[in-house]
Amino acid sequence: QVQLQESGPGLVKPSQTLSLTCTVSGASVSSGGYYWSWIRQHPGKGLEYIGYIYNSGITYSNPSLKSRLTISLDTSEKQFFLKLNSVSAADTAIYYCARSSFTSPASPFDIWGQGTRVTVSS
Amino acid sequence: EIVLTQSPGTLSLSPGERVTLSCRASQIVGSSYLAWYQQSRGQAPRLLIYGTSTRATGIPDRFSGSGSGTDFTLTISRLEPEDFAVYYCQQYVSPPSTFGPGTKVEI
Repeated sequence: QVQLQESGPGLVKPSQTLSLTCTVSGASVSSGGYYWSWIRQHPGKGLEYIGYIYNSGITYSNPSLKSRLTISLDTSEKQFFLKLNSVSAADTAIYYCARSSFTSPASPFDIWGQGTRVTVSS
Repeated sequence: EIVLTQSPGTLSLSPGERVTLSCRASQIVGSSYLAWYQQSRGQAPRLLIYGTSTRATGIPDRFSGSGSGTDFTLTISRLEPEDFAVYYCQQYVSPPSTFGPGTKVEI
């Protein structure tokens, strides 16, 4: 059974870098052909797609975040990461990691982490 | 970017009732590329329907999806207490994938 778990600091200061980890159990992020994504949800709001990484290291970033975003993979094959630079209060959200349902970037998400709440404040 | 609009914003219903939720896209979305999620309070979203009408694993058959082009619907044939939640549609035909603002189904 594949499970995802986000981790990282709950509080980040404005202008600093937000770093989150998604730990995968029951699967390897470097095999299987799935796409591993980050999605966020602003307080009381809807869902915003952040981007994905494929096992080859290919990434996609939402153009709205592209200049500040880095998504990477750990060679241990069990983790992938999000780094968002120059954060502001607008980056305050619950951050989810998720796996694509299919071995295609055009895919819904059938497995989600429980989410981690991040607040940007001084 | 494809913008999804959902209506209504909130529905107040009772257990046992039938409900139909609407999702409209700003551009044509192929029927293979529209999904629905349920998000209960404090939980991550759960995939209900993908490809417009295919139920995800373990989803009961009271949930059904339909539509084509720019107009899609999610129907719950008979509301159970655990169905009171927020429902989101998602298009994944055109990056970035986008979600609708959600419809809250409340008692």
